[in-house]
Amino acid sequence: DAGVTQSPTHLIKTRGQQVTLRCSPKSGHDTVSWYQQALGQGPQFIFQYYEEEERQRGNFPDRFSGHQFPNYSSELNVNALLLGDSALYLCASSLSGGYNTEAFFGQGTRLTVV
Amino acid sequence: ILNVEQSPQSLHVQEGDSTNFTCSFPSSNFYALHWYRWETAKSPEALFVMTLNGDEKKKGRISATLNTKEGYSYLYIKGSQPEDSATYLCASKSNSGYALNFGKGTSLLVTP
Repeated sequence: DAGVTQSPTHLIKTRGQQVTLRCSPKSGHDTVSWYQQALGQGPQFIFQYYEEEERQRGNFPDRFSGHQFPNYSSELNVNALLLGDSALYLCASSLSGGYNTEAFFGQGTRLTVV
Repeated sequence: ILNVEQSPQSLHVQEGDSTNFTCSFPSSNFYALHWYRWETAKSPEALFVMTLNGDEKKKGRISATLNTKEGYSYLYIKGSQPEDSATYLCASKSNSGYALNFGKGTSLLVTP
């Protein structure tokens, strides 16, 4: 079992550009959540996808959007990048059906906006 | 408490020392408390998911307790080893959503 995989591991973008980050969930998991961890902070919830729909959204602007595919993999898109979007982006997968189900995390994508 | 808070921010102990960290979280609408261990350049690894007041869980030398009425959890490491060096994150989940609300973590360094 490969666990949660994210790609790319690192990337550098220029202000104003757009970026797409990808996540493959752990085998058997149907729910994907995205988190942003800025320097010195804990991970902040961006949104969660289940059954190809955004189920819950955190306090992030509309520039952050996502998608979940029929195979449960997911993408995070960020438009009009700002310097403040530089962060580690973590994907977590879990099984639906319970609030206390364990979430498994990927290693993250380190985004640097210059 | 509105946010999840962890203390101390960092900790440096000698091999063999026992140590503990604190996680404070909102007690209203509480549903679950998660502890993660995060080594550099790796994925956060789930340690415990706790839901019931008074819950105690143990995994090897690591254990955790939960007090949902006052909104805190303790993580204990007995006989710390250098391989325990990591950042320990706690996250609470409320009964009104699916998000994990994380603290900033406690960074533990264990030296031989």
